[in-house]
Amino acid sequence: TQLLEQSPQFLSIQEGENLTVYCNSSSVFSSLQWYRQEPGEGPVLLVTVVTGGEVKKLKRLTFQFGDARKDSSLHITAAQTGDTGLYLCAGNTGNQFYFGTGTSLTVIP
Amino acid sequence: NAGVTQTPKFQVLKTGQSMTLQCAQDMNHEYMSWYRQDPGMGLRLIHYSVGAGITDQGEVPNGYNVSRSTTEDFPLRLLSAAPSQTSVYFCASSYRGTGVSDGYTFGSGTRLTVV
Repeated sequence: TQLLEQSPQFLSIQEGENLTVYCNSSSVFSSLQWYRQEPGEGPVLLVTVVTGGEVKKLKRLTFQFGDARKDSSLHITAAQTGDTGLYLCAGNTGNQFYFGTGTSLTVIP
Repeated sequence: NAGVTQTPKFQVLKTGQSMTLQCAQDMNHEYMSWYRQDPGMGLRLIHYSVGAGITDQGEVPNGYNVSRSTTEDFPLRLLSAAPSQTSVYFCASSYRGTGVSDGYTFGSGTRLTVV
């Protein structure tokens, strides 16, 4: 049973397009992180959101934490080829972190 | 700045063999954990530690042991390797693991194949 569901699982878009990735759960998290992972490497932390309804921006990436702290979204504006990778969300509850299965993004030049 | 260092990067084991995956961090993080990553399964927590001398089981602990004698090191031991343990293993550390977390710093992974 996967605690965090990500959608879509795969996404292939043209450079310059916008996209949104979703991370959903029935559980409440004290914090939620987004990571990007490239082939052969470990995930790299992009952002941590803590407060329900919180919105954080990282250049062309916008992250939102749901009001009930059960879900999150990642929006990329004007995608670039450098955005290609596996995007993972992770929820923190107590001493444990639970990861979603990831969204594999390919940006085509 | 080393961050989280994992060794080895690649390993092939025969069924029944034992081995230890090494993990070291130089950021004085209290919280460390081991994950395995399998296609379609995402990252699954094996064991974690909230500080030296304290360890606990995660989602998939069977077949693995850990110890935490120092803040810096958190080795993962495979007791008797099985083909089902073929996976990519990641060690990760965090400044704070309970309540609000700063998020993980990951190592670059160990790709293990059990034949």
